[in-house]
Amino acid sequence: GNSVTQMEGPVTLSEEAFLTINCTYTATGYPSLFWYVQYPGEGLQLLLKATKADDKGSNKGFEATYRKETTSFHLEKGSVQVSDSAVYFCALRASGAGSYQLTFGKGTKLSVIP
Amino acid sequence: GAVVSQHPSWVICKSGTSVKIECRSLDFQATTMFWYRQFPKQSLMLMATSNEGSKATYEQGVEKDKFLINHASLTLSTLTVTSAHPEDSSFYICSARPGTGIGGNQPQHFGDGTRLSIL
Repeated sequence: GNSVTQMEGPVTLSEEAFLTINCTYTATGYPSLFWYVQYPGEGLQLLLKATKADDKGSNKGFEATYRKETTSFHLEKGSVQVSDSAVYFCALRASGAGSYQLTFGKGTKLSVIP
Repeated sequence: GAVVSQHPSWVICKSGTSVKIECRSLDFQATTMFWYRQFPKQSLMLMATSNEGSKATYEQGVEKDKFLINHASLTLSTLTVTSAHPEDSSFYICSARPGTGIGGNQPQHFGDGTRLSIL
């Protein structure tokens, strides 16, 4: 079956540090890949996505590249801010007609300190 | 655009009562809505897929008589936790996928979640 594995947190960084959150997946075919962010007390928000190999999703300074050869979709940001403190979820949606369910990783909590 | 409203955001009730949670897509129609449960320090667990006009599809291990789902219109799905007990306390999140067809490439949009506490 499909699965998503992401690095366990929590991750604590100083402001302006470089961020990488690793995410690897197992799926048949060509899934779509997503990063969601959950700020404290709120629901999930879509951060970025990529739908085919070598696509790069980007938003709010975050980037992730769909690497089929390594089955990875690592999240990166060059300079984090305190406001980036949240839980980040990597997710995939299987390919194929009628496929729409998401499979999530366990989430990585990021804390950015001034 | 693509706003999903979930209500209530927080509910505390006594053991044995039933609690209804609403999930509304405010500016789009959604044939399909999803209900998730989030345990502390864990990921979201898909509970069921709610299909407008038909019975919900439950994931393995989720009691359909315990978690009643109704998707009466293209903009509203409800989850009722019947005879709730302390072990049902959790964070419940709904999501909706824009569109009225099957499949497609639209991402899901999530509500803000409902924190349910059963005393």
